[in-house]
Amino acid sequence: AQKVTQAQTEISVVEKEDVTLDCVYETRDTTYYLFWYKQPPSGELVFLIRRNSFDEQNEISGRYSWNFQKSTSSFNFTITASQVVDSAVYFCALSEGDMNTGFQKLVFGTGTRLLVSP
Amino acid sequence: EPEVTQTPSHQVTQMGQEVILRCVPISNHLYFYWYRQILGQKVEFLVSFYNNEISEKSEIFDDQFSVERPDGSNFTLKIRSTKLEDSAMYFCASSARDRGEAFFGQGTRLTVV
Repeated sequence: AQKVTQAQTEISVVEKEDVTLDCVYETRDTTYYLFWYKQPPSGELVFLIRRNSFDEQNEISGRYSWNFQKSTSSFNFTITASQVVDSAVYFCALSEGDMNTGFQKLVFGTGTRLLVSP
Repeated sequence: EPEVTQTPSHQVTQMGQEVILRCVPISNHLYFYWYRQILGQKVEFLVSFYNNEISEKSEIFDDQFSVERPDGSNFTLKIRSTKLEDSAMYFCASSARDRGEAFFGQGTRLTVV
């Protein structure tokens, strides 16, 4: 069965600190997709990134970066120079489905609550 | 930018009542989903819908739940006889054939009293 583990329940940092959110996954599929979603206090789920299992290149988008390590089944998320607006719950997710058909069924981790104080 | 919209944003209902949660997926998407998030917990898959039928459902999605796409734009989740434990945030999502990510609506917070 597929599983996503986010061991960090809550992280508190001070503005401008860097912070890394950990995500470890389990799957028997050779082709799979990993995601990060942000859930701000308003409650919606905001898509941040998708990564497929064949692409282990790290990705950077502004202050966000992602480190995919297939050997350790990890897909960690780093926020550089954190800001108060980054305060949210962050979910890592693993897809079950066939990307070629578009079917997506996401298995979510339990989330990490990030608190960034001024 | 196209988005998934859900109505209402918050619904309060009495135990035993029926509720219908509504969603308008992104127009060219083919797969539709409902997920549930009990307060403070993780997001859980309920059901997926494709080509006018359920393609997969979780064990949470029992006989009290049903989904429907009554017309070309709406996608609904009906809970027939609500229980206290149905109180949660319900998210609708949709995905396209050639895109990877599922896009989520802003959620409907259901409170059963």
